[in-house]
Amino acid sequence: AIQMTQSPSSLSASVGDRVTITCRASQGIRDDLGWYQQKPGKAPKLLIYAASSLQSGVPSRFSGSGSGRDFTLTISSLQPEDFATYYCLQDYIYPWTFGQGTKVEIK
Amino acid sequence: QVQLQESGPGLVKPSETLSLTCTVSGGSVSRGSYYWTWIRQSPEKGLEWIGYIYDSGSTNYNPSLKSRITISVDMSKNQFSLKVSSVTAADTAVYYCARVVGATRIDYWGQGTRVTVSS
Repeated sequence: AIQMTQSPSSLSASVGDRVTITCRASQGIRDDLGWYQQKPGKAPKLLIYAASSLQSGVPSRFSGSGSGRDFTLTISSLQPEDFATYYCLQDYIYPWTFGQGTKVEIK
Repeated sequence: QVQLQESGPGLVKPSETLSLTCTVSGGSVSRGSYYWTWIRQSPEKGLEWIGYIYDSGSTNYNPSLKSRITISVDMSKNQFSLKVSSVTAADTAVYYCARVVGATRIDYWGQGTRVTVSS
């Protein structure tokens, strides 16, 4: 199975900060990658698909980039509701696999 | 608005079979455009894709679980189900049902149901 490695595993940031999370695949996955946000006690929520396509209803401060093995999720100006854990998910080949998550905490 | 809701026992004994059902509202499981999917989450393994059912019967399972997994659909009830046989403590997790669209992304999730394997 393809391994997805996220970094960092956690970060502290302030409201208004620009935040970048990276995800690296153990092999090339074209642009078959999504980003999900999860808040405590809730199911994950789709933010980005196909590496850079914004899901309907998701604020434009979220953006994704990358292809092949290396991908990035950027939050341009962190808002209070963005404190959560973020996961990447490769949908290039089954079994789909998730990264281990990046927890974004309040500084 | 599509909604998914998991249901099933919260406690299962070791070596028994875990059975969960996902009831879909606001959409039809018989429509062939979607992959009806199960995912679980535990502190030890994180988020783990279990498998899906598509087009009324085609399935795809995670090889790590394949020998113990069955996913089925009941179109008359607009539900799909998961069975995991011979469970151990390692199967303790929050189980989510979800809908995959375009074979590429998970656009709707259930709220999740916690299942504990313990005697």
